[in-house]
Amino acid sequence: NAGVTQTPKFQVLKTGQSMTLQCAQDMNHNSMYWYRQDPGMGLRLIYYSASEGTTDKGEVPNGYNVSRLNKREFSLRLESAAPSQTSVYFCASRMTGRDYGYTFGSGTRLTVV
Amino acid sequence: TQLLEQSPQFLSIQEGENLTVYCNSSSVFSSLQWYRQEPGEGPVLLVTVVTGGEVKKLKRLTFQFGDARKDSSLHITAAQPGDTGLYLCGDTGTASKLTFGTGTRLQVTL
Repeated sequence: NAGVTQTPKFQVLKTGQSMTLQCAQDMNHNSMYWYRQDPGMGLRLIYYSASEGTTDKGEVPNGYNVSRLNKREFSLRLESAAPSQTSVYFCASRMTGRDYGYTFGSGTRLTVV
Repeated sequence: TQLLEQSPQFLSIQEGENLTVYCNSSSVFSSLQWYRQEPGEGPVLLVTVVTGGEVKKLKRLTFQFGDARKDSSLHITAAQPGDTGLYLCGDTGTASKLTFGTGTRLQVTL
């Protein structure tokens, strides 16, 4: 059982380049999330998808787009990367319901130069 | 906007010592989750607390939820090097969005 799988694990982009971060879960979870983690800032929610076919903005959505391709997959796209988007990105999933925990992937470390 | 404050930010102790870390909110928690994150990995859920005054134990870890549901603590007894990591509290909030505190970074040395 793989849980939440993120690709790639590392990426270096030049300013202005675009890329898509991939995320897939095999736990039949309804909800999926993208967070970014920066030193001293904790984990901040970028976008989430409460169920297949829906997406909503989180705390820091500017500069990002998402696609909930199906129940398993939730991708994050940077259309024109900026140095401020240098961060570690985590995808997570969970079952619907207040008390369910989140299962996180191991992260993508992105550097924009 | 809810603010979650964790203290202390950093804690370095020796093996065998006890410690407590805190999580405080500017508003009432919906339900509170504690996670531990090791370097190079994503956070892993330790516990969920829901009811004010609730106490949960996980081996050497004891989690308390304040009566007013605006604060929580995590106590570790006889810390071990394997306890090293970033401890995060989070409020599940509304609309299934988890809001995290900034974390307590714990280093346990031999």
